[in-house]
Amino acid sequence: GQNIDQPTEMTATEGAIVQINCTYQTSGFNGLFWYQQHAGEAPTFLSYNVLDGLEEKGRFSSFLSRSKGYSYLLLKELQMKDSASYLCAVDSNYQLIWGAGTKLIIKP
Amino acid sequence: DTAVSQTPKYLVTQMGNDKSIKCEQNLGHDTMYWYKQDSKKFLKIMFSYNNKELIINETVPNRFSPKSPDKAHLNLHINSLELGDSAVYFCASSQDHGRDITGELFFGEGSRLTVL
Repeated sequence: GQNIDQPTEMTATEGAIVQINCTYQTSGFNGLFWYQQHAGEAPTFLSYNVLDGLEEKGRFSSFLSRSKGYSYLLLKELQMKDSASYLCAVDSNYQLIWGAGTKLIIKP
Repeated sequence: DTAVSQTPKYLVTQMGNDKSIKCEQNLGHDTMYWYKQDSKKFLKIMFSYNNKELIINETVPNRFSPKSPDKAHLNLHINSLELGDSAVYFCASSQDHGRDITGELFFGEGSRLTVL
């Protein structure tokens, strides 16, 4: 079957760094997405990785290792507004397979 | 201008009723989707339309029927609503990047359906 695993919940402190991991087992792979979803709102696109390595975009970075079926989202200089769920999704044969999301709680 | 808009945002109805949710995108995208997000926050694909053709139907009960009058609209009609249909339904669109690659998804704000 196809499976995406990510932690259910994480807590971090304002100003700190947090890494959210995602492991996947899918029948195909055409890239991995990270989306951010604030409570009661729609998911919004954060990043896309299709090649191994780190993609940096401001305070957010995303890493991919295809051989390990592993990705992480790194958030630096955390702000209170970063409190949200972070969804990992894999493009597998023209279908997006979604993880359940990691709820990130930021404390002052 | 809202890129992907869906209506209504909130819908409360009785079991057994029939309801529709409308979705429109002004991004010129080729593919539109309906997703269901339940209380456990899993996003589950229901339907995908590419240029008015259904290309995914993920074992959704036939009480759910998508209707796409043109590539900018994808409506969802639900017959004989059941309690388990209560969820948030998201419409989304993406631009094709080739047959086997999904582009970035742009989501509507969601329609929260509550069945009593």
